[in-house]
Amino acid sequence: DAGITQSPRHKVTETGTPVTLRCHQTENHRYMYWYRQDPGHGLRLIHYSYGVKDTDKGEVSDGYSVSRSKTEDFLLTLESATSSQTSVYFCAISESGWASGGASEQFFGPGTRLTVL
Amino acid sequence: TQLLEQSPQFLSIQEGENLTVYCNSSSVFSSLQWYRQEPGEGPVLLVTVVTGGEVKKLKRLTFQFGDARKDSSLHITAAQPGDTGLYLCAGEKLTFGTGTRLTIIP
Repeated sequence: DAGITQSPRHKVTETGTPVTLRCHQTENHRYMYWYRQDPGHGLRLIHYSYGVKDTDKGEVSDGYSVSRSKTEDFLLTLESATSSQTSVYFCAISESGWASGGASEQFFGPGTRLTVL
Repeated sequence: TQLLEQSPQFLSIQEGENLTVYCNSSSVFSSLQWYRQEPGEGPVLLVTVVTGGEVKKLKRLTFQFGDARKDSSLHITAAQPGDTGLYLCAGEKLTFGTGTRLTIIP
């Protein structure tokens, strides 16, 4: 199994509080991703990183920020949590990004279940 | 945004039966991936298809990429309880379908 850990695995917080989720990899993969998974919506990309300090927005980036100061760590921050951000958050890594004619395999972490009351 | 629609959304069948699930889009994809996700875990890649009309087999699972590269199917022969899970298709630009939740009844 690819070495990806997420912390915390479960968190309950209150509306308006800041929350930071951490993703840590031991594979030295260049690309890292944050997704959220909600019933009826599948996996939706929040932000991704293509290198240290290089990040870009995904489909549902509003209300979220990310940082990557080291290859192995990718942090997702909810600046002021809202109930609509209650979800399961997955981190993923890949050696390369999407390229014409092929796609790199993504390895997913175990997920973080976040509940915002 | 490239949308991927999967059908059926839910499928529950008896062990030993065959089944097919679908992934469709109005957009052309250069490649499609299928992942399986078990409860409490992240998705795991099953296969990547890159050529229109391509067929790939993984034991009892057969994956097909449509000739026009707008759709894909997953066929499972003689389903087993271990096949239970959420099956997700994914296209480029990191777009995932909504998934088919498959339950195999022993």
